[in-house]
Amino acid sequence: AQKVTQAQTEISVVEKEDVTLDCVYETRDTTYYLFWYKQPPSGELVFLIRRNSFDEQNEISGRYSWNFQKSTSSFNFTITASQVVDSAVYFCALSESLLGAQKLVFGQGTRLTINP
Amino acid sequence: EPEVTQTPSHQVTQMGQEVILRCVPISNHLYFYWYRQILGQKVEFLVSFYNNEISEKSEIFDDQFSVERPDGSNFTLKIRSTKLEDSAMYFCASSTNQDSNQPQHFGDGTRLSIL
Repeated sequence: AQKVTQAQTEISVVEKEDVTLDCVYETRDTTYYLFWYKQPPSGELVFLIRRNSFDEQNEISGRYSWNFQKSTSSFNFTITASQVVDSAVYFCALSESLLGAQKLVFGQGTRLTINP
Repeated sequence: EPEVTQTPSHQVTQMGQEVILRCVPISNHLYFYWYRQILGQKVEFLVSFYNNEISEKSEIFDDQFSVERPDGSNFTLKIRSTKLEDSAMYFCASSTNQDSNQPQHFGDGTRLSIL
C-alpha cells in the first residue's frame, strides 16, 4: 500500500532562514514518481517538482532544492533564504503509475510560516 | 500556459440536493481526475477517468458520486444527494502520458459548502 508521511505539521521560521520539509514514503513498487505541491493561502495547488524513482540526483531550482534518497525512502525539500511569499502548505505526493492514470497519494502537508 | 479551469469557485447547496462541479481540462490531456480536500486536511484521490470510463476510484467515491465527460471539453463531478460531510474543496486535474515528463495539472478548486 502507498503511504506518504510528512511528520512536520507546522514550521515557523524567520525570513532568510533555510528550512527543510521532510517527506517519507512507503511503496511496494520499484518504479514510482514523487511530487511536491505548494498550496498558498488562496487555495490552489501549484506543482513544484516531479522525480521518478530511477533518478536519485538532487535537484536545485533557484532557492528550492530537493534531496531524494531511496535508501531511506525520503524526498526532502529545502528552501534557502526563505521569504514571506514562501508561506504556504506544502504537500508531498506519490504515484505508483509511470504510465496511464496517475493516482496521487498525498501526505498530510506541512504548514510553513515565514515571519518577517 | 494552458490551465485547468473549474467552475464555480464556490458552491453553496442544501443538504440532500444534487450538485454538479464542472472542469475544463487542458485540451490535449487524456487523463482526468477529481480530488477532495476537507478543510485543514490532506488532498484525497476520488477518481481517475480515461477514454470515457473510470480507470480507478477510491472508497470515498461511492454510489452518490458520478463523473462524466459530456462533450469534448468538460469533465463533471456529480454528487447526487449531498451530505454535510461532502463539504470540501474539490480539485480537478488532468495529465497526459504521451510524454512521461508531464505532471498532473490542478485547477484552482471548487469550494463546496453543504448547509
